[in-house]
Amino acid sequence: DAGITQSPRYKITETGRQVTLMCHQTWSHSYMFWYRQDLGHGLRLIYYSAAADITDKGEVPDGYVVSRSKTENFPLTLESATRSQTSVYFCASRGSGGAYEQYFGPGTRLTVT
Amino acid sequence: TQLLEQSPQFLSIQEGENLTVYCNSSSVFSSLQWYRQEPGEGPVLLVTVVTGGEVKKLKRLTFQFGDARKDSSLHITAAQPGDTGLYLCAGAGYENTGNQFYFGTGTSLTVIP
Repeated sequence: DAGITQSPRYKITETGRQVTLMCHQTWSHSYMFWYRQDLGHGLRLIYYSAAADITDKGEVPDGYVVSRSKTENFPLTLESATRSQTSVYFCASRGSGGAYEQYFGPGTRLTVT
Repeated sequence: TQLLEQSPQFLSIQEGENLTVYCNSSSVFSSLQWYRQEPGEGPVLLVTVVTGGEVKKLKRLTFQFGDARKDSSLHITAAQPGDTGLYLCAGAGYENTGNQFYFGTGTSLTVIP
C-alpha cells in the first residue's frame, strides 16, 4: 500500500523484553521520525533520521534504539521495555526542503505490563 | 520541556457555533503547523504558516501566525460534527532545519449535533 504504515498496530509486552516497532514509507522521503504520544504531554520526538544511515536523538531518546539501513524503513527498538514506555507510538516522514510537512502513520499502541 | 501551550484543553460546543483555539509560546518559531487527529489515527496536517502575521483559510478554518512568530490561533466558523477531533499545533525552532518539531498538548474539540 502507498503511504506510511506501522506494525504492529497493537502490542502487549512484559517489562524487560525487547520489542521492535516497524515503520515503512513508500514515498522515498528523506526524513523519518518517531514520536510517542501520552496524555498531558502531546507528541514528543524520540529519534529522527535525515537519510539512510543518519539518525539523531530527539527530546526523549533514552531507552530506545533506531536504525535506518534502507530509506523506506525506520524501525524503533525498545531494548528492555519499561512500564513508562507504555504509549502510542507514531512514525512520520517528510521530503527534503519545503515547509516541513510531516505525514504520520496510524500509530502503534504499546502496553508494557 | 513543553514549549507550546494550547488552550483550551477541552472544548464542547453546539453545531453552528464559532470557536478559537490558541497556541502560545515564549519561543520564536520558523514555521508552525496545525494538525487534526481522530481517535485511533495519526495526526493529519491542516496547514503550515511561515510568515509573521500570516493568515491562511481552509474552508471554515482560519489560521493566523502571530507577528512575533511566537503564537498562533485557529478559528472555526459554524462548527460541524465532522470538525470533532484533537487539534495539535507544532512549531519548528530556528535552531534546527525542520528536523525537530515541538508539539502542543492539544485541544480536544467535540461538536454536538
